[in-house]
Amino acid sequence: GAGVSQSPSNKVTEKGKDVELRCDPISGHTALYWYRQRLGQGLEFLIYFQGNSAPDKSGLPSDRFSAERTGESVSTLTIQRTQQEDSAVYLCASILVSGGSYEQYFGPGTRLTVT
Amino acid sequence: AQSVTQLGSHVSVSEGALVLLRCNYSSSVPPYLFWYVQYPNQGLQLLLKYTSAATLVKGINGFEAEFKKSETSFHLTKPSAHMSDAAEYFCAVSSNNNDMRFGAGTRLTVKP
Repeated sequence: GAGVSQSPSNKVTEKGKDVELRCDPISGHTALYWYRQRLGQGLEFLIYFQGNSAPDKSGLPSDRFSAERTGESVSTLTIQRTQQEDSAVYLCASILVSGGSYEQYFGPGTRLTVT
Repeated sequence: AQSVTQLGSHVSVSEGALVLLRCNYSSSVPPYLFWYVQYPNQGLQLLLKYTSAATLVKGINGFEAEFKKSETSFHLTKPSAHMSDAAEYFCAVSSNNNDMRFGAGTRLTVKP
C-alpha cells in the first residue's frame, strides 16, 4: 500500500471490554510508533518498535495496555478492560531511516470511544 | 531520550501578522527535527523537517523553521498569517536511533 493504514477507523466499546487496534506500516519501514491523542490535547507517546522489539514501553499508561509487532510489519495495540479515560484517537506512525534520509508517515488513526 | 518543549499552548495572531511558534529540544545526539500541522478533525501533516542539511528549512504553505544548535531551538515562522493557518502545530524530535517524541502542541488562532 501507499501509506500507513489503521483499523478499525472507529471503535465504540463498552467499559470493561477488550479492544485490539491494528496498524499496517509501510513495507520496509523499520520503526513503528503508537501515540494517543485525547480530544483537544497533544500527542502522547505510548510505545515504539524497532523491528519487532520495543526498546521503550514507558509511555504505556497501565498494565491494561500492551502491544506487539510481528514480522517487522503489522502491529497491534491491545487495551484490556477499557475505561472511559481510554477514549481517544490512537495514531500509528512508521519511520524509515536510511543514510541521510528520514521518512515518516502517520496513519489516519483509530478513534476509540468507551461508553 | 529526546524531548521537546513547545512554549505557549495557544498563540493568537491577526491575519497578515507574523507567526512565531516556539520549539526547544533536548537531545544527546544530533537531532532530526520536525513540525507537523493538524487541522480540525484531520490527521497529522508534515510541514517541514530538518535532517542535518541546511539549517533554514522551508516547508509547505509558506512556513519555515531555523535550526539553532546554540539555542537548541527549532522555531516555526511564517511572515504573514492566513485564516487557513488556524490549526494545531506539533514540534517533534528524533535521532538516528528512531526514538521520536512530540511536543504538547500549540494551537494557532488567526483573527480577521
